[in-house]
Amino acid sequence: GQQLNQSPQSMFIQEGEDVSMNCTSSSIFNTWLWYKQDPGEGPVLLIALYKAGELTSNGRLTAQFGITRKDSFLNISASIPSDVGIYFCAGQLPGNTPLVFGKGTRLSVIA
Amino acid sequence: NAGVMQNPRHLVRRRGQEARLRCSPMKGHSHVYWYRQLPEEGLKFMVYLQKENIIDESGMPKERFSAEFPKEGPSILRIQQVVRGDSAAYFCASSPQRMLETQYFGPGTRLLVL
Repeated sequence: GQQLNQSPQSMFIQEGEDVSMNCTSSSIFNTWLWYKQDPGEGPVLLIALYKAGELTSNGRLTAQFGITRKDSFLNISASIPSDVGIYFCAGQLPGNTPLVFGKGTRLSVIA
Repeated sequence: NAGVMQNPRHLVRRRGQEARLRCSPMKGHSHVYWYRQLPEEGLKFMVYLQKENIIDESGMPKERFSAEFPKEGPSILRIQQVVRGDSAAYFCASSPQRMLETQYFGPGTRLLVL
């Protein structure tokens, strides 16, 4: 099936640092979504992107839909301990198709 | 307004038994999606249902797995004759209409097959 390559797999950062993670694919996507999953919980939507080149912010989070429609990145500025968790990208291929998820980036924040 | 409810949160089964996972969508939501998450993996789509109808089951294994969303009551994901490879977290999401960003996820059911 379709795959999203998400990187890095894991990150250990100091509190206050900025974080960047991305997703790439060989296929064109119509929609990119970024989720955060806390341990023992379901994913929570952070940001949704619908147009190539779109740049959207949600507090300290910023995400962009790549111009080629084959990639997206998520930035977190001034990280805090509660940013710890797994961040997933998800995309929808053209047509009424189900979401495809990346494998996640595991973020650890050291106070 | 309660969120998506899933029960049980944890389920242990022996090989060959049946597993029934329940999902109560958010109030007013008539679209339900089931996903499976293996350890260290992302979520994989299994099935999409509207009330009383299966809309897309392209991610469901052909055997042993079935899903329903009756007119009354929760959506059920049923796994017959479970095997160890079925051990995973199963997530349900619901939405008021088929718009991806409005999918709200439940806390998941963690199935362990011994």
